[in-house]
Parts: sequence; C-alpha cells; structure tokens
Amino acid sequence: AQKITQTQPGMFVQEKEAVTLDCTYDTSDPSYGLFWYKQPSSGEMIFLIYQGSYDQQNATEGRYSLNFQKARKSANLVISASQLGDSAMYFCAMRENADMRFGAGTRLTVKP
Amino acid sequence: DSGVTQTPKHLITATGQRVTLRCSPRSGDLSVYWYQQSLDQGLQFLIQYYNGEERAKGNILERFSAQQFPDLHSELNLSSLELGDSALYFCASSPRQGAKAEAFFGQGTRLTVV
Repeated sequence: AQKITQTQPGMFVQEKEAVTLDCTYDTSDPSYGLFWYKQPSSGEMIFLIYQGSYDQQNATEGRYSLNFQKARKSANLVISASQLGDSAMYFCAMRENADMRFGAGTRLTVKP
Repeated sequence: DSGVTQTPKHLITATGQRVTLRCSPRSGDLSVYWYQQSLDQGLQFLIQYYNGEERAKGNILERFSAQQFPDLHSELNLSSLELGDSALYFCASSPRQGAKAEAFFGQGTRLTVV
C-alpha cells in the first residue's frame, strides 16, 4: 500500500527566505507521480507542482521546486523567497494508478 | 478557480439523515475523485470514477455511495449520517488516468452533522 510521510507538522520561515518541506514515500511500483498541494485557511486545495518517477530533472514552477531523490524516496518541496501569502497547509501526494494518497500535511507560517 | 464546482458549500444536517453532494468536473475531464478531510483522519480517498464507471475505491463506508452521470457530473450520497461524518468533502477531477494525472480540486462541501 502507498504511504506518504510528512514529518514536520509545523514550520516557520522568515519572509523572503527559502524553506524546505519534507516528504517521503513508500511504493514498490516503478511508475508513480508525486504532487504537492497548498491549502490556505479558506480551505481550497491548490495544485502546485508535479514530479514523475521517470523524470530526470527536478520539477520547478515559479518559486516552487521539487527536490526529488528517487533512491531515498523523498520529494521535498522548496519554496524560495517566501511570501506572507505562502502561509498555509501543504500536502504531499502520490499516485500509482487511480487513487491519489496524501500525507498528513505541514502547516507553514511565514513571519514578517 | 480550478474549474471544479461543488455544491452546496455548506450543509448542516441531523444524525440519521441523508444528503447528496454534487460535483461538476472541469470541462473535458473524465475522471472524478471524492475525498473526505477530517481533523483526525486527514485527507482520505473515497472513490474514483472515470467516464461513468467506478475505477477505484478507498476508505468509503457502506453508508456512502457515489455515481458519475453521462454528463460527467458526480454525486456523493451519504446516508444514516453520524456525528463523525462531519468533514470537508472534496471533489477533484483529472483530464486523464494514470500516475501522471494531476487532480484539480473543488472548493469543497463542509458537512456538519448535529
């Protein structure tokens, strides 16, 4: 069964600094996708970034990048130049086939 | 705006009742997923439909059922409601199946059972 682990329940970062949110996963399937979502206090789930298991390069989307270390089964999200609006819950997710499974989430707080 | 529409946004109902949550996927998306988000259980995958057919089942209770209609909208039916069913219910849609398919979420329906 898939398992996604986010070991940081909460993180703090100073505005304009970079922050790394950890995610490890467990799967025996060679083909899978990794995703990060942001959930602000308003509740919606916002798709941020995707990394495929066969992708050779780390994914980047604007200020978001994914540090993918396949052998270690980790897919950490790096947010550069943090902004106050980045304060939210962040979820790591993995999909092998049909269903997408989520980690418990990390609450990020950006300090002014 | 993700393009996924869920109604209603809020629902308050009594124990033992039955409710229906509705989801309209993004235009062209054939896959619909339902998730339950509660404080103690996190985001739990319930069920997935692809072009009208059930494709995957997660932690969905027998009291819950879902379907996807020919116009691709989906409904999640929750019956014999219990206090513990209070949660945020998300619908998500994907343009394709498989590991690479990102899911776009609706705003969610917040269900409160009293």
